[in-house]
Amino acid sequence: GESVGLHLPTLSVQEGDNSIINCAYSNSASDYFIWYKQESGKGPQFIIDIRSNMDKRQGQRVTVLLNKTVKHLSLQIAATQPGDSAVYFCAADNAGNMLTFGGGTRLMVKP
Amino acid sequence: EPEVTQTPSHQVTQMGQEVILRCVPISNHLYFYWYRQILGQKVEFLVSFYNNEISEKSEIFDDQFSVERPDGSNFTLKIRSTKLEDSAMYFCASSSGGNEQFFGPGTRLTVL
Repeated sequence: GESVGLHLPTLSVQEGDNSIINCAYSNSASDYFIWYKQESGKGPQFIIDIRSNMDKRQGQRVTVLLNKTVKHLSLQIAATQPGDSAVYFCAADNAGNMLTFGGGTRLMVKP
Repeated sequence: EPEVTQTPSHQVTQMGQEVILRCVPISNHLYFYWYRQILGQKVEFLVSFYNNEISEKSEIFDDQFSVERPDGSNFTLKIRSTKLEDSAMYFCASSSGGNEQFFGPGTRLTVL
């Protein structure tokens, strides 16, 4: 099976700093990974994804890094803003049909 | 921008009662999902649905749960006899067939 875990439950950063949120997964057969942002009272919102044939993917202010050797992925947020405050989940997909979510990291941005 | 919608936003029910949670997926999507999130815990997969049948389901999705696509737009989750431990946020998601799943805002189910 697949388990996906987060290293830190809470991350507090200063506005303008970069944030790094980490995630580990267990199933080496997982071939697709997603980061979701969840604000209070809302559903998960897609941020960025990466396939297992890549090790880095960049979006607007966000970068996902994938290290398949140690089964680890990270989400980097550049110039963190107050609006980035939320819980961030990584999720893994190895069947093309179901997502396995990590436990979530709460990002708190201090002004 | 198209989005997944869910109703109701909050459902309160008595233990043992049946509930139906409703979802309207994005219109051109073909794959539909239900997830749940118990307060303070991670999101858990329940079931996926494609071509009018269940394609995957988790251990959580036992005989008390069922899904249906009664018409061309709605996707429902029914819990036949609710238990206290069914209290959670229930999220519907849909996808076009690629991996990206779009989530609805969720229905908060409270079982008393």
